Amino acid sequence: GAVVSQHPSWVICKSGTSVKIECRSLDFQATTMFWYRQFPKQSLMLMATSNEGSKATYEQGVEKDKFLINHASLTLSTLTVTSAHPEDSSFYICSARQYGYTFGSGTRLTVV
Amino acid sequence: AQSVTQLDSQVPVFEEAPVELRCNYSSSVSVYLFWYVQYPNQGLQLLLKYLSGSTLVKGINGFEAEFNKSQTSFHLRKPSVHISDTAEYFCAVNTGFQKLVFGTGTRLLVSP
Repeated sequence: GAVVSQHPSWVICKSGTSVKIECRSLDFQATTMFWYRQFPKQSLMLMATSNEGSKATYEQGVEKDKFLINHASLTLSTLTVTSAHPEDSSFYICSARQYGYTFGSGTRLTVV
Repeated sequence: AQSVTQLDSQVPVFEEAPVELRCNYSSSVSVYLFWYVQYPNQGLQLLLKYLSGSTLVKGINGFEAEFNKSQTSFHLRKPSVHISDTAEYFCAVNTGFQKLVFGTGTRLLVSP
């Protein structure tokens, strides 16, 4: 079946630094990828939708300049959290859409 | 716009007992419905989905759900739960376009 690989699974960074999270579709081409953020014991909040070769569409309230999304190929999308702060600490999950929605295993970001 | 309501934030149940996790949706158009399971610090795994056809949908791990259009519900059921079913369960809806809209999740706690 469809597999989405997300790396890293966890990362700790210092406040003010940037962190890049990768999401790869391993055995299919994903024209659309989604990035979600999940707070502890809460649901998934859609941050943005990215289509290969075009700019991402961000949900209302999500800072485009802080959460940079690049979808340069049909198998890779990246989320870069720029100038991270402790309030950016969260669980980030990507999802790739082909005939259905396949989710990555998530990235636990902790900003100290 | 679509929305999903999962009224039960937590459902405790004993092992081998039956369980039902409730999901109600709101939409002015036809919808596709999904149930996902999330284990701690992991992504989401698809349990089952309703796209069309039979209203009773069978999924993995012995779960099933019934689409009820008149009651706008898509409740998840399992006749006999195991300890390993302890996890967070999310109901989601979309209209066939891009976004999945998630409910707030139900934590299933199975005890011996």
